[in-house]
Amino acid sequence: NAGVTQTPKFRILKIGQSMTLQCAQDMNHNYMYWYRQDPGMGLKLIYYSVGAGITDKGEVPNGYNVSRSTTEDFPLRLELAAPSQTSVYFCASEGASGGPGYEQYFGPGTRLTVT
Amino acid sequence: GENVEQHPSTLSVQEGDSAVIKCTYSDSASNYFPWYKQELGKRPQLIIDIRSNVGEKKDQRIAVTLNKTAKHFSLHITETQPEDSAVYFCAASITSSNTGKLIFGQGTTLQVKP
Repeated sequence: NAGVTQTPKFRILKIGQSMTLQCAQDMNHNYMYWYRQDPGMGLKLIYYSVGAGITDKGEVPNGYNVSRSTTEDFPLRLELAAPSQTSVYFCASEGASGGPGYEQYFGPGTRLTVT
Repeated sequence: GENVEQHPSTLSVQEGDSAVIKCTYSDSASNYFPWYKQELGKRPQLIIDIRSNVGEKKDQRIAVTLNKTAKHFSLHITETQPEDSAVYFCAASITSSNTGKLIFGQGTTLQVKP
């Protein structure tokens, strides 16, 4: 199993540009999450999904959108990038035992800089 | 909503000493408390977790204690080694919400000096 994969690893965006961060998992997990981690800070939940076709906002959703058309994929869309979105983005999945409250498996992260 | 506070923000110990990191949570409905370790430039990885139906859990040199009444939980690392140097995050979750959402603390940077 590849686990949770993310692409790209690094990206530099200009203010106002848009991009999609890709996330995929091959563990058949129902639950998937997007976090951002600012330098020296904890992880803040952006959006999450409890299954294909179901998404909801987390703590810091403004400026982002998600979709979940399949169990495997959970892309994060940034529209009109702003310097405040400079961060490391982590995707995670969970669901080994059918329900929440177990280990979340994180992807390697995407380091995004907006200038 | 839930809020998790973590202290201290940095901790430096000598190799072989013990390290303790403390977290408090605000929502009494929280019942799942994992701890994640993040090495520099790497992804967070679960090291231990505890549920609200137990007060303590151990795994070799790592232990976690939970005080539901006071709404705080702690990570204890004994006989620290240089490879324990990393950022540690606590988190809290309400499993009955059926979302798996974790609210993380701000992190503790642990430095173990050889």
